[in-house]
Amino acid sequence: DAMVIQNPRYQVTQFGKPVTLSCSQTLNHNVMYWYQQKSSQAPKLLFHYYDKDFNNEADTPDNFQSRRPNTSFCFLDIRSPGLGDAAMYLCATSRETLWSLAGGDTDTQYFGPGTRLTVL
Amino acid sequence: KQEVTQIPAALSVPEGENLVLNCSFTDSAIYNLQWFRQDPGKGLTSLLLIQSSQREQTSGRLNASLDKSSGRSTLYIAASQPGDSATYLCAVLYNNDMRFGAGTRLTVKP
Repeated sequence: DAMVIQNPRYQVTQFGKPVTLSCSQTLNHNVMYWYQQKSSQAPKLLFHYYDKDFNNEADTPDNFQSRRPNTSFCFLDIRSPGLGDAAMYLCATSRETLWSLAGGDTDTQYFGPGTRLTVL
Repeated sequence: KQEVTQIPAALSVPEGENLVLNCSFTDSAIYNLQWFRQDPGKGLTSLLLIQSSQREQTSGRLNASLDKSSGRSTLYIAASQPGDSATYLCAVLYNNDMRFGAGTRLTVKP
């Protein structure tokens, strides 16, 4: 059963046209994360929510915003996509924040399959 | 500067071999370290998370170790299988940042 679901799996948008990516979870985890992974690069953490508390990473561009209307859903809004924003966007969840996890193979992060964004 | 390095960038081994993947980090003031697996075009799968106070974690054929003082972690895979072929990433969590290595692309040949 899917635990972290991302829709759509593939998204095409035009330069400057706002786009929203969605993520939902069935794990009832407190924390949800958004990562950006550009082609052949390592993932980069954009921001995370602990419940409804929003935490923006220091160098995340203002062009990226996020919403978490309830425990299950989290959205990534890109207000004016540029060509440089083409990437795989990964959503993840965890029971508690990364700084509080106990470790091992179960108290970790759980990732969705990602949404690949193309900007034309 | 907080840098995370993974060597080698790519590794090819025959099925059944035991292997070790390496991750090194320049700043030892870490909260924890995670090992991930990523299949081509897919999301990440978290394999193991080691707290800074822990020395190792085990899951099945995987064993991850952490030596914080020397800035090193290893992921040991026992009895490798073709299904283990993927890119393996390590990520180090600091007080206000999370740094990923570039990954090691593993191929296990039947």
